[in-house]
Amino acid sequence: AQTVTQSQPEMSVQEAETVTLSCTYDTSESDYYLFWYKQPPSRQMILVIRQEAYKQQNATENRFSVNFQKAAKSFSLKISDSQLGDAAMYFCAYRSYDMRFGAGTRLTVKP
Amino acid sequence: DTGVSQNPRHKITKRGQNVTFRCDPISEHNRLYWYRQTLGQGPEFLTYFQNEAQLEKSRLLSDRFSAERPKGSFSTLEIQRTEQGDSAMYLCASSLVVYNEQFFGPGTRLTVL
Repeated sequence: AQTVTQSQPEMSVQEAETVTLSCTYDTSESDYYLFWYKQPPSRQMILVIRQEAYKQQNATENRFSVNFQKAAKSFSLKISDSQLGDAAMYFCAYRSYDMRFGAGTRLTVKP
Repeated sequence: DTGVSQNPRHKITKRGQNVTFRCDPISEHNRLYWYRQTLGQGPEFLTYFQNEAQLEKSRLLSDRFSAERPKGSFSTLEIQRTEQGDSAMYLCASSLVVYNEQFFGPGTRLTVL
């Protein structure tokens, strides 16, 4: 079964600095998708960034980028120029047949 | 239609009662998913529909849980004979095709007393 592990329950970053959130996953499949979702307090979960496993190039969305290491089954999220509004729970997710989420990383942004 | 909606947003019930939640997906989305999220955890997949067909239901937590999407539009999730352990946030999401982004609703928070 596919599992997703986020080893950092909490992370903290100074405003305007860069932070990296870690995610590893376990699968025997070759075709799948990986996602990072953001869940602000008491608000809906929204997609931050998506990576197709067949693409070697790392996905980038403005200040958000990923480091996708397929052989290592690693999928980390880098947030550059952190903003106060980035404070939230961040969930890494794996999808092939169904969607599996990690336990999340709570990101705090200090002014 | 600006997104996925769920009703009610909060539900408090007594143990043993039945509850039903509704999800209205984004109108053109043919896939609809249900998840459960407990405190401090990521969402846990329960079931999903493609149009009106329920394609996966083995991950429903017990036979007390059932879901329907009778006309391929809105969906309902029912929990019969609720238990305190059912207390959680129940999330609905929809997508256009299988590998596209899933858009999540605000969730229904269930509290079983």
